[in-house]
This record gives sequence, C-alpha cells and structure tokens, in this order.
Amino acid sequence: GENVEQHPSTLSVQEGDSAVIKCTYSDSASNYFPWYKQELGKRPQLIIDIRSNVGEKKDQRIAVTLNKTAKHFSLHITETQPEDSAVYFCAENRAAGNKLTFGGGTRVLVKP
Amino acid sequence: GAVVSQHPSRVICKSGTSVKIECRSLDFQATTMFWYRQFPKKSLMLMATSNEGSKATYEQGVEKDKFLINHASLTLSTLTVTSAHPEDSSFYICSASPTGGLTYEQYFGPGTRLTVT
Repeated sequence: GENVEQHPSTLSVQEGDSAVIKCTYSDSASNYFPWYKQELGKRPQLIIDIRSNVGEKKDQRIAVTLNKTAKHFSLHITETQPEDSAVYFCAENRAAGNKLTFGGGTRVLVKP
Repeated sequence: GAVVSQHPSRVICKSGTSVKIECRSLDFQATTMFWYRQFPKKSLMLMATSNEGSKATYEQGVEKDKFLINHASLTLSTLTVTSAHPEDSSFYICSASPTGGLTYEQYFGPGTRLTVT
C-alpha cells in the first residue's frame, strides 16, 4: 500500500499548549519521514525530518518520533505560538523511486 | 542555497487553451524534479517525476498527453497543461532533488495557481 494517514485533520490549541499530530504508513521499506508546514498559498517548508534508523529527533520546540514496528510517526510542537498556525503535512519517502507520499494534512490553529 | 523558482506564480486562461509552467533550480543542478497538484484544502498529490534527458514517469491516473513534461536541462523542467478545463484549476507545485545529493532531498518551488475560466 502507499497511503499515509494523518490525524487529526484540524487541531485547535491555546497558546503555550502542546500540539501533537500523528501519521501512519504502510510501506515497511519507507526510510525517510519529513514534516512540512504550509501557510496559505505558499510552498511547503520542511520543519523537521527523521530517518528510519533513528527513533526521535528534536529541534527547539519541535520534535518527531518514529515507531518503525508500528509504522507510525508523530510531530510534537511545544509552547505553541500564534505563528505556528498553519497546515502541517507528514510525508514518507519510499525507498523505490525516491517519491514523497503526503498525509492529508492537519490544520493547526493556535489561539492567543 | 537550494532555491527553486516557478513561473508564472499565477495564471488565468480560457478553457481549451494550453498553459506552460516553468520550474527552475537556481543554485543547483537537478537531475530529477517532481510535479505536484494541490486542490484547495487538500494535500499535495504527486503527478509525475521529471527526469533530465528521459521521459517523465507519471503517477496512476495522470494523463501524460494532457500534462506534458519536458526536462531539457539540469535546471529546468516545464509542465504544459494542454486543452485546459475548469477542473484543471489548481495549485501546481514543483520540487527538485539536487544531483549527487541525498536521495530523499526535495526543495519545493513557490507554486503556480492556475485558474481556467
């Protein structure tokens, strides 16, 4: 299979709280999992990524965890700020063909 | 570094006409470029993989005769939407993978919003 399921589709949090987005994938050969932030009408921007040989990666307020056995990975944003409001997409890179398959997206709203 | 541009950023065309969108890697060479389509409030859907010097590889359900791709140089790929119809109205985004770089690297262009009237 080639699907990436992403949940939730929308997420509203109070400023300062944490936000968690989860994705599941089906291709056990997938080896790279990026997360993108997309503002309205703009290009997707890579915010963090993780490779299949690592279980967790952190960059300031953003972290990603990967569970290869369960085939899911999550994005964690701590101390959310209004500027974190955007649509976030997870993706997987299938080893064959070097293609990215995107999740359905999560619209995050951080309320001040 | 790793800047990708697209031209035009917005285009409005009449039904039945063709539209060409350019994707350029400005400061690196890209043997492989990708074309995505994104409908409002939806995810990015890969349309095709553009390979310099060879034919593009299209995803299932994407008509190769309708979406013509040319990757004539290591810094330029073009997507031509032929005989456009209103249902082709969408946000088209390209990405480029640096030649000789990590296999999973992709740098995205700013997108082209196509409106077919």
